[in-house]
Amino acid sequence: ETGVTQSPTHLIKTRGQQVTLRCSSQSGHNTVSWYQQALGQGPQFIFQYYREEENGRGNFPPRFSGLQFPNYSSELNVNALELDDSALYLCASSLKGVPEAFFGQGTRLTVV
Amino acid sequence: GIQVEQSPPDLILQEGANSTLRCNFSDSVNNLQWFHQNPWGQLINLFYIPSGTKQNGRLSATTVATERYSLLYISSSQTTDSGVYFCAVSNFGNEKLTFGTGTRLTIIP
Repeated sequence: ETGVTQSPTHLIKTRGQQVTLRCSSQSGHNTVSWYQQALGQGPQFIFQYYREEENGRGNFPPRFSGLQFPNYSSELNVNALELDDSALYLCASSLKGVPEAFFGQGTRLTVV
Repeated sequence: GIQVEQSPPDLILQEGANSTLRCNFSDSVNNLQWFHQNPWGQLINLFYIPSGTKQNGRLSATTVATERYSLLYISSSQTTDSGVYFCAVSNFGNEKLTFGTGTRLTIIP
């Protein structure tokens, strides 16, 4: 059974650029959620994808968008990067109807 | 939305000591998970425990759903137990996890 994997592990971008982060869900899972964790804080929910559609969204602007693919993997896209977008981005996968979530190792994004 | 509070925010202990971490939440939940965040940032699942008691080696957890709190016990602490421990919950019909602010545990040799 493969766990949740994210890529890349680290990324440095310039303010105003766009970034795409990737996540492969755990085998047997069909739901992917994305979280943003700023330094010294707990993770904050960005959105969730199920059956290739957004299934719930947290308090994040539209420049945060996502995709889910038929194999249940997912992408998080952030446009017009701001310095405050610097954070650890975590992906979690789960099986719809079974609340327990499993997390990947995260992507650390630095915006300069 | 649901509120989650963790205490204490910081805990420094000698190796071998026992510790109790607390998580209070403001509403009924159908999911409560305890995580250990390692130095590289990954959230390691410790327990999925919306109610009842579970044990895994030196770690155990109890959730009293009717009183809206959960406790994580760590016995005979080791330096590898150091890190941040998070409690996260979700409630019925809403699968997003709401995290507490964490407890930073430091185990001194």
